[in-house]
Order: sequence, then structure tokens, then C-alpha cells
Amino acid sequence: NAGVTQTPKFRILKIGQSMTLQCTQDMNHNYMYWYRQDPGMGLKLIYYSVGAGITDKGEVPNGYNVSRSTTEDFPLRLELAAPSQTSVYFCACHGGTETQYFGPGTRLLVL
Amino acid sequence: DQQVKQNSPSLSVQEGRISILNCDYTNSMFDYFLWYKKYPAEGPTFLISISSIKDKNEDGRFTVFLNKSAKHLSLHIVPSQPGDSAVYFCAASAKSNAGKSTFGDGTTLTVKP
Repeated sequence: NAGVTQTPKFRILKIGQSMTLQCTQDMNHNYMYWYRQDPGMGLKLIYYSVGAGITDKGEVPNGYNVSRSTTEDFPLRLELAAPSQTSVYFCACHGGTETQYFGPGTRLLVL
Repeated sequence: DQQVKQNSPSLSVQEGRISILNCDYTNSMFDYFLWYKKYPAEGPTFLISISSIKDKNEDGRFTVFLNKSAKHLSLHIVPSQPGDSAVYFCAASAKSNAGKSTFGDGTTLTVKP
């Protein structure tokens, strides 16, 4: 039981490039979330999903897109990378008990 | 307006002593509160939680206290151990809000041997 996995662990992007951050969970949880954490700050919600086919914006959605075609996968897409998107990205899920289970994170550097 | 605040960015305590981490919130709709622990280069992990119908929840060395009238909660760690050194995030959620949690900025706890 791997829980929540994220790939890649680390990536350097040039300004204007695009990439997809992958997130997969094997806990069969309906709720999934993407957060970013900037240095010294808390977790800011980017997008979330309450089930396959349903997504919604969080607190800081600009510059990102998501899809949820299956219960397991919740990829996060950056279309035109900007230096302001340099951050650590965490994916999480929960099954209705309020407790969220987090992946190990993806560190992204945009230069 | 930050709805969940952890006013102390850092806290340093001696091994064996008590660590007290504080958290304040502004949204009266929050009805569930959680503490997460985060080590460097890892994702946050759930530590302990409390429902708004309770004022205390204990799990081993960890106790969370909730004061609803003051909109304040605290995490007590007794006795503190060097392995407790980590960033602690306070989070709050409302059942009506799709399970979304609002996080504080975290408090870095250092436990000195």
C-alpha cells in the first residue's frame, strides 16, 4: 500500500515551459487536493476534486489546470511556467474523515 | 485575511520539557481541527485532531486543547524528544466545505538534547 505517490521529486523548468506533476493514490479516496508551499509559509490550496470527473478551484488556481479521469490519478498541469511558480507541490487525499494523507512532494524551480 | 494563524514561527525547548504550540482561527464555521507534522523533504503527516464538540483530545505524549470561545487551540507535547523536531501545521476544516482544510504557516519546533 504505497499511499500517495508523486512524480517527479524535483524538476527545473525554464520560463514558458510546461509540465505535468503526477499524483496517484491507492487508498480509494474520493477527495484529492493539490497544494503549494512557499518558504516559511503554509499550504495553499490550488485545486481539489471530490471525485472522478469533478474538479474545482482552490485559493491559488491561476496558472494551473487539473483533471480527474480516475479515482486514483489527479495530475496538475503548468502551461506556461513562471518564476512565481517556484515552490514545493504536495498532493493529498482523504476518504471523508477530514484527515488528509500527503504525498512526498515535488520541488519545482522555474528559472 | 488569514483564517488560521500560528503566530510563533519557531519554538525551542529542552528535551524532556513540555512543548506548547499555539494556533488561532477566525472562522466560526470551522468544526474540525488537525495538527500535522512535517519533516524536511517529506510530506506532512497527520498527528492529532479534535472535533469542535470536544475541548481536549489526548494521544500518548500529544494533547490538543480547544477553546472555542477564544477561537484558540494548542498542541502540548510532553515530554518533548529530539525526534519531535519538525514543522507543525495547524489546520481547520468545516464539514460543509468538501473536506478542504485551511492551514496555518507552521511552527518550527526544535528539541535540544
